[in-house]
Amino acid sequence: SQQGEEDPQALSIQEGENATMNCSYKTSINNLQWYRQNSGRGLVHLILIRSNEREKHSGRLRVTLDTSKKSSSLLITASRAADTASYFCATDANDYKLSFGAGTTVTVRA
Amino acid sequence: DGGITQSPKYLFRKEGQNVTLSCEQNLNHDAMYWYRQDPGQGLRLIYYSQIVNDFQKGDIAEGYSVSREKKESFPLTVTSAQKNPTAFYLCASSNQGAWEQFFGPGTRLTVL
Repeated sequence: SQQGEEDPQALSIQEGENATMNCSYKTSINNLQWYRQNSGRGLVHLILIRSNEREKHSGRLRVTLDTSKKSSSLLITASRAADTASYFCATDANDYKLSFGAGTTVTVRA
Repeated sequence: DGGITQSPKYLFRKEGQNVTLSCEQNLNHDAMYWYRQDPGQGLRLIYYSQIVNDFQKGDIAEGYSVSREKKESFPLTVTSAQKNPTAFYLCASSNQGAWEQFFGPGTRLTVL
């Protein structure tokens, strides 16, 4: 069953702008991950944030986690054409299974 | 080069036929997973295996079968009992005790 839900479903921005997407989930988690998927390809892991962390950075990516609101956000700064992709949040379930949301499709216009 | 390979990239099947999708990894990961992705949707777990010779059903196992005879291989068979098999299938693996999953490039299955 899908626990995470991303918002918005789609996002179109100009190159150089920032992109922000959100993920909400229903039950308690140990950690939350963000993955990227280029069209027709497999997913690539971007970042993992643990339930006791509030913010994490990796290059141009900034992830926040608010466990009281059961939500996370992914910020991509200074976007590039290569950032055009779908982004998924994944929450942990039992037995190291992951539950994925439906994703946010980001289009970066040149 | 370490990674996960899936073959074939595209697969066409006639209704009523079984078909097997290949997934191989050389990352020495214990756990392997099969997901199904439909257009505009997230990934849904079909089957997963945490160790050789053992596997568990995921959320949508009906009409699918798997085997895990070798650590590096986790083939998925889409049987004729699967009512709507046209989809993008993704295989993934992870280290034991780790949450990060590594994905293959996927197989797009189309039923004609």
